[in-house]
Amino acid sequence: DTGVSQDPRHKITKRGQNVTFRCDPISEHNRLYWYRQTLGQGPEFLTYFQNEAQLEKSRLLSDRFSAERPKGSFSTLEIQRTEQGDSAMYLCASSQGGSQETQYFGPGTRLLVL
Amino acid sequence: RKEVEQDPGPFNVPEGATVAFNCTYSNSASQSFFWYRQDCRKEPKLLMSVYSSGNEDGRFTAQLNRASQYISLLIRDSKLSDSATYLCVVKGYYGGSQGNLIFGKGTKLSVKP
Repeated sequence: DTGVSQDPRHKITKRGQNVTFRCDPISEHNRLYWYRQTLGQGPEFLTYFQNEAQLEKSRLLSDRFSAERPKGSFSTLEIQRTEQGDSAMYLCASSQGGSQETQYFGPGTRLLVL
Repeated sequence: RKEVEQDPGPFNVPEGATVAFNCTYSNSASQSFFWYRQDCRKEPKLLMSVYSSGNEDGRFTAQLNRASQYISLLIRDSKLSDSATYLCVVKGYYGGSQGNLIFGKGTKLSVKP
């Protein structure tokens, strides 16, 4: 399967713990996006990378959140000192960019903070 | 006002029915428009892009009215497999954003036998 992959698919953690998620984009895609989706809502943008450069961060991305894409390939999203409000599906998407770019989503990581 | 607003739903229709979803967006600088489909507990998948002239893909027809900032999706002869949440999505180059997608809350469609 050459689509976007995410790991882990599910994560249960206790409040205050740190968690890290990984996203592997489609190999030739230079753009990588992170979104968060809570129940009954559409996905909300968190941040995106053009190659290894983080070009945009949403106001939703508090200082407890950090994302990296060190070699312009896979990306990690870390949440420090998790809170119950962080419980959500974290979606990664990749694209080749351009005005009519299509973003392809991974299966997501479902986080539950107890 | 939300940037992308959709019919609240849910829509419960019989097989074979025609169903229409509407969506409005607030930023007139928005450049690109899409409909994504999301099955329960799955990731969103692109259903179709929406072009100014309107476009059709089989049973699905999308329309865009830039003057009214309005997007629609029409599904004809609905199938059980069309049951999903339909997300109206807008992308624009404004406020420093260079490509992130802005999603509506989605409209849930349930097609019954």
